[in-house]
Amino acid sequence: AQKVTQAQTEISVVEKEDVTLDCVYETRDTTYYLFWYKQPPSGELVFLIRRNSFDEQNEISGRYSWNFQKSTSSFNFTITASQVVDSAVYFCALSDPYSGGGADGLTFGKGTHLIIQP
Amino acid sequence: GAVVSQHPSRVICKSGTSVKIECRSLDFQATTMFWYRQFPKQSLMLMATSNEGSKATYEQGVEKDKFLINHASLTLSTLTVTSAHPEDSSFYICSARDMTSSTDTQYFGPGTRLTVL
Repeated sequence: AQKVTQAQTEISVVEKEDVTLDCVYETRDTTYYLFWYKQPPSGELVFLIRRNSFDEQNEISGRYSWNFQKSTSSFNFTITASQVVDSAVYFCALSDPYSGGGADGLTFGKGTHLIIQP
Repeated sequence: GAVVSQHPSRVICKSGTSVKIECRSLDFQATTMFWYRQFPKQSLMLMATSNEGSKATYEQGVEKDKFLINHASLTLSTLTVTSAHPEDSSFYICSARDMTSSTDTQYFGPGTRLTVL
């Protein structure tokens, strides 16, 4: 069965520090997608990245970077020079073509609450 | 980017009443929409997949007669919580799949916070 594990329930760092959020997944599929979403206190999910299982290249977008390692089934997310506005809950998710809908409903991890202190 | 709206954003109702939540894709067509629920400080759990013009497919453990889903057009899906009870109080989030985009990504609505008294 598909599963996403975010072992870090809460992380607190001081502004300008770098921080890495871990994500480990399990799937029997050979083709799948991985996602990261940000959920600020307002509740609305903000899409950050989508990664195809065949594309193991790391990606950088501004202060954000992602490290996809298929060998360890991990898709970690790093924020460099963190800012207070980065404070939110971050979810890692896996597409799940074997869900009831067969149409890629997402399986979410439990989320990591990131607190950036000024 | 693609925009998905939900209405209402918040609703408070009495136990036993039914509540309808709308999910709209504003600038793209979505043959597939998804409904999730999120309890406080917990993760999102997929409830059902809504396909335009056909019956929704529900995840295991989700009552079909309790959570009625209708996807009558390519831009609108509705979730009706029938005979709501306090345990149905939750944050309901929909997403719409933009299959025409190069990334085929789901875009999430802002959520609807349901409180059943």
